[in-house]
Amino acid sequence: KNEVEQSPQNLTAQEGEFITINCSYSVGISALHWLQQHPGGGIVSLFMLSSGKKKHGRLIATINIQEKHSSLHITASHPRDSAVYICAVNSNSGYALNFGKGTSLLVTP
Amino acid sequence: DAGVIQSPRHEVTEMGQEVTLRCKPISGHDYLFWYRQTMMRGLELLIYFNNNVPIDDSGMPEDRFSAKMPNASFSTLKIQPSEPRDSAVYFCASSFSGASTDTQYFGPGTRLTVL
Repeated sequence: KNEVEQSPQNLTAQEGEFITINCSYSVGISALHWLQQHPGGGIVSLFMLSSGKKKHGRLIATINIQEKHSSLHITASHPRDSAVYICAVNSNSGYALNFGKGTSLLVTP
Repeated sequence: DAGVIQSPRHEVTEMGQEVTLRCKPISGHDYLFWYRQTMMRGLELLIYFNNNVPIDDSGMPEDRFSAKMPNASFSTLKIQPSEPRDSAVYFCASSFSGASTDTQYFGPGTRLTVL
């Protein structure tokens, strides 16, 4: 069983909708990362969280350490948000990242 | 800074051939990571280096895979001999420190196809 589980696997939304992507993990972590992979394949880091909530533009990421759960929210979604969103964690024992399988988001006009 | 640079961007080779993937990390970054991405398994860590020294290679699939970092600005991932199941996108990433609170910066990836 993968240490990091994401849901949903695929998501289609209409422009303007509020979107939530969920990530659950089973190990103790020192940090959780949300990454975005564009259709061209490039990967960029969106957020790094160890507690609480972070906001950047229309993106909001939250984490609940006790429940081992994080959510990524996109407000007023736009077609350019279409990408794969990947959750990754640093376990307490190391620097390397363990990744979820990703959530493929398509926002239609 | 130009970001993490990987070459080649695409590689097509025949089974049994040697493949070498290259990575130049961001200047000043002490940690370098090699990842592999496939449809079935997603992103997986292969190996990472700290100050040019391999720290954790437990993700390297088998002896056909080897990685080196001869200096702070260059790393290679070699597959010899290559097999069709090695077809994947290979990403290199670097970070200033290995701390979990530090952002990893990813290269554009090398798409490898082994026929």
